[in-house]
Amino acid sequence: TQLLEQSPQFLSIQEGENLTVYCNSSSVFSSLQWYRQEPGEGPVLLVTVVTGGEVKKLKRLTFQFGDARKDSSLHITAAQPGDTGLYLCAGGGGSNYKLTFGKGTLLTVNP
Amino acid sequence: EPEVTQTPSHQVTQMGQEVILRCVPISNHLYFYWYRQILGQKVEFLVSFYNNEISEKSEIFDDQFSVERPDGSNFTLKIRSTKLEDSAMYFCASSENRQPQHFGDGTRLSIL
Repeated sequence: TQLLEQSPQFLSIQEGENLTVYCNSSSVFSSLQWYRQEPGEGPVLLVTVVTGGEVKKLKRLTFQFGDARKDSSLHITAAQPGDTGLYLCAGGGGSNYKLTFGKGTLLTVNP
Repeated sequence: EPEVTQTPSHQVTQMGQEVILRCVPISNHLYFYWYRQILGQKVEFLVSFYNNEISEKSEIFDDQFSVERPDGSNFTLKIRSTKLEDSAMYFCASSENRQPQHFGDGTRLSIL
């Protein structure tokens, strides 16, 4: 069974601070996707990384896929209250690319 | 931007009743998925569907569950005889070529 562990589970910071959240597994994934989920809504795709060592930037968000494709990180620069939400990582694998989700990191950015 | 739509947003059903959850995937997508999220737990894979047949299913997806694509646009999940433990958010997802998967806003299923 493939498992994804996300850390920290909760993170509360002040506006303007930087932060990094992590997604780790003992299994290799073909791809890794990061989603953001608001209460009562579905996960919204932020990025997909597929190559070991790949780095992708989305404005103030930087995503990295580990060289061995077992882990990933999300770094947010100068966090804003609008970044508040649940960040989920999901590893894709198998012929159908079913997603294995982590429990998520609940981020709160205080003004 | 195209999106996955799910109906209803909230379904309340008596235990033992049948329920059908509906999804309209993004129009040019070929791969379809159902996931569920029990309150406070991870999002879990249920089933994937491609080329009008189930391509993979999890242990959760037992004989009480079925999926169907009755026409060119809808994708449905049926639970034949609901149990209390089926209460969860059910998410439909679709993809053009297996990844990335785009999710709907879900149906909250409450079994009484």
